[in-house]
Amino acid sequence: GDSVTQMEGPVTLSEEACLTINCTYTATGYPSLFWYVQYPGEGLQLLLKATKADDKGSNKGFEATYRKETTSFHLEKGSVQVSDSAVYFCALSDQVKTSYDKVIFGPGTSLSVIP
Amino acid sequence: DTEVTQTPKHLVMGMTNKKSLKCEQHMGHRAMYWYKQKAKKPPELMFVYSYEKLSINESVPSRFSPECPNSSLLNLHLHALQPEDSALYLCASSPAPGQGATWADTQYFGPGTRLTVL
Repeated sequence: GDSVTQMEGPVTLSEEACLTINCTYTATGYPSLFWYVQYPGEGLQLLLKATKADDKGSNKGFEATYRKETTSFHLEKGSVQVSDSAVYFCALSDQVKTSYDKVIFGPGTSLSVIP
Repeated sequence: DTEVTQTPKHLVMGMTNKKSLKCEQHMGHRAMYWYKQKAKKPPELMFVYSYEKLSINESVPSRFSPECPNSSLLNLHLHALQPEDSALYLCASSPAPGQGATWADTQYFGPGTRLTVL
């Protein structure tokens, strides 16, 4: 079945450091790929998405590129801030299926940014 | 407006109580979802409603009873819960097939209800 693997952390970085959170997937169909972020005490928010190979999603300084050849969707940010401290979930959803097929979430990566 | 609202924000209940969680969205989405999230884990799907009809029940115990009274509202009725049911309950919505969307479209999540069962 479909699956998502991501580094679980926790990851601790100093402010202004570079961030990469690795995400790889296996899918039998043609998935859309997502990064969701969950700030402490809140629900999930969509951070960015990509729907086809080589698409780059970007938002709030975060970027991720849909790499079909390596089945990856790594999340990157050049300079993190304390306010980026959160849990980040990589996820996929199959675009081909006509009946509902649930979103597959990775285990989540906890990020702490210290001043 | 891309907001999904949920009430209450926090709920504490005993094992013999009956309570309800409420979810509302005004984005015109015709697919709505309930998820359960335990600490430090990803959300787990419980129920999917499509055009106000229950489409998916992920083998959820009958002490959880969902209801979709109209296209904007989703309720989750709780009765005789167990302490292990304590979790964050998240509601989400998305466009449904027939709205120019696929099931792979973005889901928009509410802030959740933090449930504690004593």
